Amino acid sequence: ETGVTQSPTHLIKTRGQQVTLRCSSQSGHNTVSWYQQALGQGPQFIFQYYREEENGRGNFPPRFSGLQFPNYSSELNVNALELDDSALYLCASSSPLGTSSYNEQFFGPGTRLTVL
Amino acid sequence: AQKVTQAQTEISVVEKEDVTLDCVYETRDTTYYLFWYKQPPSGELVFLIRRNSFDEQNEISGRYSWNFQKSTSSFNFTITASQVVDSAVYFCALSEAFGGSQGNLIFGKGTKLSVKP
Repeated sequence: ETGVTQSPTHLIKTRGQQVTLRCSSQSGHNTVSWYQQALGQGPQFIFQYYREEENGRGNFPPRFSGLQFPNYSSELNVNALELDDSALYLCASSSPLGTSSYNEQFFGPGTRLTVL
Repeated sequence: AQKVTQAQTEISVVEKEDVTLDCVYETRDTTYYLFWYKQPPSGELVFLIRRNSFDEQNEISGRYSWNFQKSTSSFNFTITASQVVDSAVYFCALSEAFGGSQGNLIFGKGTKLSVKP
């Protein structure tokens, strides 16, 4: 196990609703990245948080937003849910810049979101 | 633009066979990292290896080996004497070393490996 935890494990929502997913990073990691993995596809980068600031964003609309807290845990919020938002949402934490394992991302078990 | 291609969608082998998973990447960066991850049915991505663009030495770890060739932009993964527990989806990924999205991983679509007893 990587030490990265995510909650909830599964979630069912209806179109138009809002959802919040949570992630606790591995001890000592100050960077958290979020990925969306649609069925049968590779994960796609949503955004990354470093020291509570957004530090890069993929090709996702503004209704995908996030937060990082002082303890480096993070939230992913999705507003106005659409059917295509149904996916596995993965959180990954990584070591601070300058460490030997920089760029190595450790993933949590994911949250499976179903939008009906 | 950066891109990772895993041309093999699914591979099925019988236990103890050797199997190679192909990965071809595209990047304009001179400094970058390449990764392989394993995703069992449980869904969690398991880190297998990271290589940087300056290190073309092949690596072996038990039954796993990796062949990195910059000349062909390939980073192939071989499992020797496959076992049923190797059944999973394997992803190759690429990340730039610097920039505003440090650590952002670009994944291929994955190769589903089924190892039959």
